[in-house]
Amino acid sequence: DAGITQSPRHKVTETGTPVTLRCHQTENHRYMYWYRQDPGHGLRLIHYSYGVKDTDKGEVSDGYSVSRSKTEDFLLTLESATSSQTSVYFCAIRAQGHSGNTIYFGEGSWLTVV
Amino acid sequence: QQPVQSPQAVILREGEDAVINCSSSKALYSVHWYRQKHGEAPVFLMILLKGGEQKGHEKISASFNEKKQQSSLYLTASQLSYSGTYFCGTEIPQTGANNLFFGTGTRLTVIP
Repeated sequence: DAGITQSPRHKVTETGTPVTLRCHQTENHRYMYWYRQDPGHGLRLIHYSYGVKDTDKGEVSDGYSVSRSKTEDFLLTLESATSSQTSVYFCAIRAQGHSGNTIYFGEGSWLTVV
Repeated sequence: QQPVQSPQAVILREGEDAVINCSSSKALYSVHWYRQKHGEAPVFLMILLKGGEQKGHEKISASFNEKKQQSSLYLTASQLSYSGTYFCGTEIPQTGANNLFFGTGTRLTVIP
């Protein structure tokens, strides 16, 4: 258990509406990530954060913004949702585990844009 | 920068062995392997660092050939619980994000 909580876990929203997904961690990890997972594409990085107010773009950042005002919370916002943003979104943290330093994922947020 | 995995899918009978390959066009610092069950998050299995080491996790082991930028995951005497999609995540030196680039996955199905 990496101590990551995502909310909401499931959401259906209409095209053009704003959506915010929240990621909360309890163990003070510096690096946090948002990935999306789509069939045939695997997991792709949207945005990441390396500290409070320190964020940067990943491979598929268009249409998304992020904010990190506290170490424990990393928010992903879709300013105006489109059907192409229907996906499963995973928050992740980088942490030292018993097997090495790696990325651990939250439970995922299933987003459907209709 | 996304690694290529092969095969895309494989079906095994219980007790059979399988090999999943992960290949990158970039020099790698490490390779990370995950398994994902349907409707769940990917779960970390093991990490391979530079040095060509082989690691094991019960009957699942992996190797990393840094010269070829390739890693292989070996599943021996497969069990029904091994079913799922396996992803490799590759770490490229000197990327500021400390993130992983993931392959598109290999769907493994173990049948009785």
